[in-house]
Amino acid sequence: GQNIDQPTEMTATEGAIVQINCTYQTSGFNGLFWYQQHAGEAPTFLSYNVLDGLEEKGRFSSFLSRSKGYSYLLLKELQMKDSASYLCAVTDSNYQLIWGAGTKLIIKP
Amino acid sequence: DADVTQTPRNRITKTGKRIMLECSQTKGHDRMYWYRQDPGLGLRLIYYSFDVKDINKGEISDGYSVSRQAQAKFSLSLESAIPNQTALYFCATSDLTSGRAGNNEQFFGPGTRLTVL
Repeated sequence: GQNIDQPTEMTATEGAIVQINCTYQTSGFNGLFWYQQHAGEAPTFLSYNVLDGLEEKGRFSSFLSRSKGYSYLLLKELQMKDSASYLCAVTDSNYQLIWGAGTKLIIKP
Repeated sequence: DADVTQTPRNRITKTGKRIMLECSQTKGHDRMYWYRQDPGLGLRLIYYSFDVKDINKGEISDGYSVSRQAQAKFSLSLESAIPNQTALYFCATSDLTSGRAGNNEQFFGPGTRLTVL
């Protein structure tokens, strides 16, 4: 079956750095997305990786290793507004998005 | 601005009632999706459509039906609502050439919070 694993919840301090991991087992691979979702709101696009390596975009970076079925999202200089759920999703061989359950990130002052 | 909209935003109904949730998009995307989200379970796909009148079952289609009569509209129906269908419902759109990823990035509507008593 298809499976995406990410931690249920993480806590970090304002101004610090946090890494959210995602491991996946899917039928085929055509890219990995990270979305941010604030409570009760729609998910919004953060990043996309299809090749191995690190993609940096301001305070957020995303890394992919296809051979290991592994990705992480790195958030730097954490701000209170970064408190949200972070969803990992993989596009499979049929171009369907397979979603992880999300990681709830709690930022403390 | 191009957008994905959902109506209603909130709905409270009783067991056994028929409910329809509407989704409209101005993005010109061919693909549309309906998801439900329950606490701790992430997004689960109910139905999806790749074109007008194309309907495909997702992971949890039982108890739901959909209609795609126009490119811009995709409606979700609960023929006889039950309490375990209480959830947050999202519509999403995509196109194989859409978004910054250029590869099936999905754009979400604001969600419909449905409560079945």
